[in-house]
Amino acid sequence: DAGVIQSPRHEVTEMGQEVTLRCKPISGHNSLFWYRQTMMRGLELLIYFNNNVPIDDSGMPEDRFSAKMPNASFSTLKIQPSEPRDSAVYFCASSFTAGRYGYTFGSGTRLTVV
Amino acid sequence: QQQVKQSPQSLIVQKGGISIINCAYENTAFDYFPWYQQFPGKGPALLIAIRPDVSEKKEGRFTISFNKSAKQFSLHIMDSQPGDSATYFCAATPRGGKLIFGQGTELSVKP
Repeated sequence: DAGVIQSPRHEVTEMGQEVTLRCKPISGHNSLFWYRQTMMRGLELLIYFNNNVPIDDSGMPEDRFSAKMPNASFSTLKIQPSEPRDSAVYFCASSFTAGRYGYTFGSGTRLTVV
Repeated sequence: QQQVKQSPQSLIVQKGGISIINCAYENTAFDYFPWYQQFPGKGPALLIAIRPDVSEKKEGRFTISFNKSAKQFSLHIMDSQPGDSATYFCAATPRGGKLIFGQGTELSVKP
C-alpha cells in the first residue's frame, strides 16, 4: 500500500495566486481529512469528508479556502487568492470510519506564499 | 470542551531514561485516545492508542496510562533512545467524530 499520497511536496507561490493541493487517500478508507500545521496553532482540522461528502468544514479559515472530493480516490484543497499568512504545512489524512480508528497521514505539502 | 491539553511543550531526556508526556481532556464523550509521532518533514504517524475501558496499554517500550476519573492520559517511553527524538501528539475523538489534537511535545533524547 502506497499510503496517503499528497502533491506537490513543496509549493512556493506569490500572494494573490491560486494554489491547489492534491490528495489520494488509501484505497478502502471512507473518511478524508485536511489539516494545517503551523508552529503557532499546531495541527488544525480544516475539513473532513465521509464517503466523499463534506461533514464538517468549520475549520476552514475563510471563503478563500475550498475543498472538494469528487470521488473516493481524490481530493483537492484550493486557496484563492493566497496570502502570506496561509504559509504552512498542509496534511491530508484518511481513515476507515472516522473516529474509530487511527488516521494515516500523508507527507504533507509545504506551502510558502511570498 | 473540545480541547486536549498537552504538556510539556518540550522535553529533554538522557538515553536510557523514561520520557513522560501528559494530556488532559474535558469531553466525556471522547472514547478513543491515540498518540502520534512526527519526525521532521513527515506526517504524524499513529504510535499507540487506547480506549477508556482499559487503564493501560503497552507496546514495546511505549505505554499509555489512562485515568478515566481524572480525564487524563499519558505516554511513557521506557529506555528512551536518540531515535525516539520527535514531536509527539496526543489526540482524542468521540465515536464517529473528528480527532482533536494536543499542541505537541518536542522530545529530544541525548546520547
